[in-house]
Amino acid sequence: EAGVTQFPSHSVIEKGQTVTLRCDPISGHDNLYWYRRVMGKEIKFLLHFVKESKQDESGMPNNRFLAERTGGTYSTLKVQPAELEDSGVYFCASSQGYRDPETQYFGPGTRLLVL
Amino acid sequence: ILNVEQSPQSLHVQEGDSTNFTCSFPSSNFYALHWYRWETAKSPEALFVMTLNGDEKKKGRISATLNTKEGYSYLYIKGSQPEDSATYLCAFYAGNNRKLIWGLGTSLAVNP
Repeated sequence: EAGVTQFPSHSVIEKGQTVTLRCDPISGHDNLYWYRRVMGKEIKFLLHFVKESKQDESGMPNNRFLAERTGGTYSTLKVQPAELEDSGVYFCASSQGYRDPETQYFGPGTRLLVL
Repeated sequence: ILNVEQSPQSLHVQEGDSTNFTCSFPSSNFYALHWYRWETAKSPEALFVMTLNGDEKKKGRISATLNTKEGYSYLYIKGSQPEDSATYLCAFYAGNNRKLIWGLGTSLAVNP
């Protein structure tokens, strides 16, 4: 069974540009989460989808960040316009959604560097 | 503000040594405690999800205990191997907001 995949693995962009990160969860997983780890700090929750609906987006830093999950399958996280402080590793995780709590399975992350 | 603390921040041991680290979390609104193992550039790997006070879980040479009343969990590695070198992360799952609150991690280096 394929795990959670994320694309791209790395992205280097200039301040003011737009970047879109993609996450493909494990097939059949209803829950999809986005997290971010800024260098030297702990991983922080960004948002949680249940199927195509946003369950909790309380961790989204500001309105420059837009997450979507069309059809309840893959998800995208767009940063527009990117700022220097957006640099970090963006992780996606998925879980089945059958019980609570349950294991969240992580992708390898997208390393974003904003110059 | 929910705070999850891990100690030590980093650890260097020799192959064959046994080691342990600590995760401290709020004792109120406890729902679960997750442990992950993370090698840079790879996916964080789930080790344990712990829910009950007094829980002890084991996976190979790695085990973990949980004390929800005093708010701590220990992770033990018996007979460390170089392939155990990684960052070990714990995350607190609160009953009132259902999101993972992470510690900074313990970075373990096992020298052959």
